[in-house]
Amino acid sequence: AQSVTQLDSHVSVSEGTPVLLRCNYSSSYSPSLFWYVQHPNKGLQLLLKYTSAATLVKGINGFEAEFKKSETSFHLTKPSAHMSDAAEYFCVVSVNNNDMRFGAGTRLTVKP
Amino acid sequence: EAGVAQSPRYKIIEKRQSVAFWCNPISGHATLYWYQQILGQGPKLLIQFQNNGVVDDSQLPKDRFSAERLKGVDSTLKIQPAKLEDSAVYLCASSRPRDTVEREQFFGPGTRLTVL
Repeated sequence: AQSVTQLDSHVSVSEGTPVLLRCNYSSSYSPSLFWYVQHPNKGLQLLLKYTSAATLVKGINGFEAEFKKSETSFHLTKPSAHMSDAAEYFCVVSVNNNDMRFGAGTRLTVKP
Repeated sequence: EAGVAQSPRYKIIEKRQSVAFWCNPISGHATLYWYQQILGQGPKLLIQFQNNGVVDDSQLPKDRFSAERLKGVDSTLKIQPAKLEDSAVYLCASSRPRDTVEREQFFGPGTRLTVL
């Protein structure tokens, strides 16, 4: 069975500083990995996905994530945080895009 | 293209009452999902449909929850009777068929249920 662990429930950064949201996964098979963002009162939006192609994945709004099989990690990064990045972020693992398992989420706060 | 539509957006009921949620997926998306997101947790899959057939309902509390997708398009999720622990956001998502390579799930805005 697959699962994800988001290592931080809350991350706070200052505007213009780097963002790092950590995610470790567990999967018996070659997984697909996703990061979704959820803004208050809005639906979940896909930021990026890894599906066994390039290990460094670039997503929307300047976010990227690197798949590291040796570390079973898929951390989300952004070089410079913007106020509009404040939201809840979910790491997701799936096999064959069917059974998607969400992490508990990381709330990102961006201070002016 | 239009996104996944859900209604109502908010619902407040008392325990032991019944409630129903409606979802209209993106046109052409054969697969439809219902998730439950309890405050402070990630979404948990309740049920997955492929057209009008159930693919996975292993995490659906079948003693009180039911869902249908009669014509393979819209879907309804019902809870009867509701319990306090059912307070959550209920998310609907849709994706292309299971045999399609690109099967990103697109999510609706959710229905926030409060059970008093």
